[in-house]
Amino acid sequence: GAVVSQHPSRVICKSGTSVKIECRSLDFQATTMFWYRQFPKQSLMLMATSNEGSKATYEQGVEKDKFLINHASLTLSTLTVTSAHPEDSSFYICSARGRDRVRYNSPLHFGNGTRLTVT
Amino acid sequence: AQSVTQPDIHITVSEGASLELRCNYSYGATPYLFWYVQSPGQGLQLLLKYFSGDTLVQGIKGFEAEFKRSQSSFNLRKPSVHWSDAAEYFCAVHSGNTPLVFGKGTRLSVIA
Repeated sequence: GAVVSQHPSRVICKSGTSVKIECRSLDFQATTMFWYRQFPKQSLMLMATSNEGSKATYEQGVEKDKFLINHASLTLSTLTVTSAHPEDSSFYICSARGRDRVRYNSPLHFGNGTRLTVT
Repeated sequence: AQSVTQPDIHITVSEGASLELRCNYSYGATPYLFWYVQSPGQGLQLLLKYFSGDTLVQGIKGFEAEFKRSQSSFNLRKPSVHWSDAAEYFCAVHSGNTPLVFGKGTRLSVIA
């Protein structure tokens, strides 16, 4: 079945550095990707929605200059956390939806998440 | 490893009928359990969650879910479905130190 690969699964970085997280659709074309942030024991917070070839739509309160999202191709979206700080430590999860000929969206697939720790 | 199974890919119910969406999980301890809904073009919306305590959890939009440890289940229910409930529903689990693990989702269609 369709798979979304998210890399890295875990990253530790120093405060002030930038971290890039990749989300790849392995066997389907992902026209829409969602990026979520998850705090331990909490539910998800949608950060942004990206459609291939266009700028990401950020949710209210999410700093677009800090969380850079690029969806340059139909199989890859990246989230870059710039100038990371300890409060950015969290899980980040991507999900992707592919093309579908019918009106309804095709299935939504989730990455396995990235655990970011900023020291 | 944690896993979540939603056995029903697609369910169709009549408006006003009751609904139950199944969710089974595999995890060694009691996990944190969630149900999310995604409407077309929208992000995931949290319906309800279970961490501990009363095993019958009330959520938004008239949904409820019951945690049954003996069956490793966390089925979502609604007594009377409305046309606006047509969407995709995801069950998810995590331990608190791991990312959420999602089921493959159940698409709900509502007919008049």
